[in-house]
Amino acid sequence: SAVISQKPSRDICQRGTSLTIQCQVDSQVTMMFWYRQQPGQSLTLIATANQGSEATYESGFVIDKFPISRPNLTFSTLTVSNMSPEDSSIYLCSVGPQNTEAFFGQGTRLTVV
Amino acid sequence: AQSVTQLGSHVSVSEGALVLLRCNYSSSVPPYLFWYVQYPNQGLQLLLKYTTGATLVKGINGFEAEFKKSETSFHLTKPSAHMSDAAEYFCAVSASGSARQLTFGSGTQLTVLP
Repeated sequence: SAVISQKPSRDICQRGTSLTIQCQVDSQVTMMFWYRQQPGQSLTLIATANQGSEATYESGFVIDKFPISRPNLTFSTLTVSNMSPEDSSIYLCSVGPQNTEAFFGQGTRLTVV
Repeated sequence: AQSVTQLGSHVSVSEGALVLLRCNYSSSVPPYLFWYVQYPNQGLQLLLKYTTGATLVKGINGFEAEFKKSETSFHLTKPSAHMSDAAEYFCAVSASGSARQLTFGSGTQLTVLP
């Protein structure tokens, strides 16, 4: 299993600003994933972050809006840039092969005002 | 491509009653299927999974699910609901050959009435 810590757990931000979310894992992992859970909706994969390479973004998500860093095998950050109220969501970090057992952080609850 | 449909965004049961949460999937390749639970202000926790082998899968907290290929279903059940089962439940599917893609259903909020 893997223990994942996300920071911050919640934040309220002004529109037009940016927020960086941190994800720390207690073991080395190859793949890290970032999901968004909009209010009342399911999880949507934003991107896959591999150490030493550019993140792979899913359709509808772009690097300029959601830049990701992956400096080592235990850490990643997701930045939500130039925020608008539509970005109010829960953002979750996940590790592990998604097709066998994915582990999730507790999420970052973002409200944009 | 794959997708998941969860019937019923909200389900209410009495404590001690049967819990049945419905999940149907579509997948162009043999699927791996999962149920996750999300308690308030927490991340997702794996309840159970089906990859290969026995189609009746037992998970944590007394939950189980049965993979029915002919019905493309993976419904979650628990014989007797407990107050602590109140949470949101997500069904998810992954293509068996892909370590990357996990597709979630829209979720079912389970309320347990005293």
